[in-house]
Amino acid sequence: DAEITQSPRHKITETGRQVTLACHQTWNHNNMFWYRQDLGHGLRLIHYSYGVHDTNKGEVSDGYSVSRSNTEDLPLTLESAASSQTSVYFCASSESPDTQYFGPGTRLTVL
Amino acid sequence: QKEVEQNSGPLSVPEGAIASLNCTYSDRGSQSFFWYRQYSGKSPELIMFIYSNGDKEDGRFTAQLNKASQYVSLLIRDSQPSDSATYLCAVYSGAGSYQLTFGKGTKLSVIP
Repeated sequence: DAEITQSPRHKITETGRQVTLACHQTWNHNNMFWYRQDLGHGLRLIHYSYGVHDTNKGEVSDGYSVSRSNTEDLPLTLESAASSQTSVYFCASSESPDTQYFGPGTRLTVL
Repeated sequence: QKEVEQNSGPLSVPEGAIASLNCTYSDRGSQSFFWYRQYSGKSPELIMFIYSNGDKEDGRFTAQLNKASQYVSLLIRDSQPSDSATYLCAVYSGAGSYQLTFGKGTKLSVIP
């Protein structure tokens, strides 16, 4: 069955370190999204991509970057992790303009 | 700034009752509306979507849309303890963007 996976599921890192969160989908969807979810803020869009080599900034993109070298993967990189980036991160993909399906999430703690 | 507002709850209903979850949105041009269910510690799961004014039923779930009032709701009939979760309303505005704007969610507790 087609699916969307994220790794690692849990990560603890230190302030200032570079961290990369992986997202892989086997639906062959063109559209992929990264969100963070925090208490009191709901889901907020970080970056998104409409296809290979396409990337766009979302609402809370500062301190994050993405690259899209193939259809299946959209890794999210925290260039220099900060405590404010402690959160749960969700990747999502879609083929239609609106209906998105979410991965299981990565819980990131920055100490 | 596109906004989607939900009552954060918690909303408590007895088992077997109807749970009513509400959502308002600011962008009058919004085209599609979604309800996601999120269990604690899990990812959001799409349960309903609606595009046109009126009601859309799927099993125990009914989505209602009133574009004039910029209001969308989710009714859960015969509520079960397994329905206890946070329900996220999401809105798609179209206009070439594939982005969804999410509300902060309403936590529902179904009391046995």
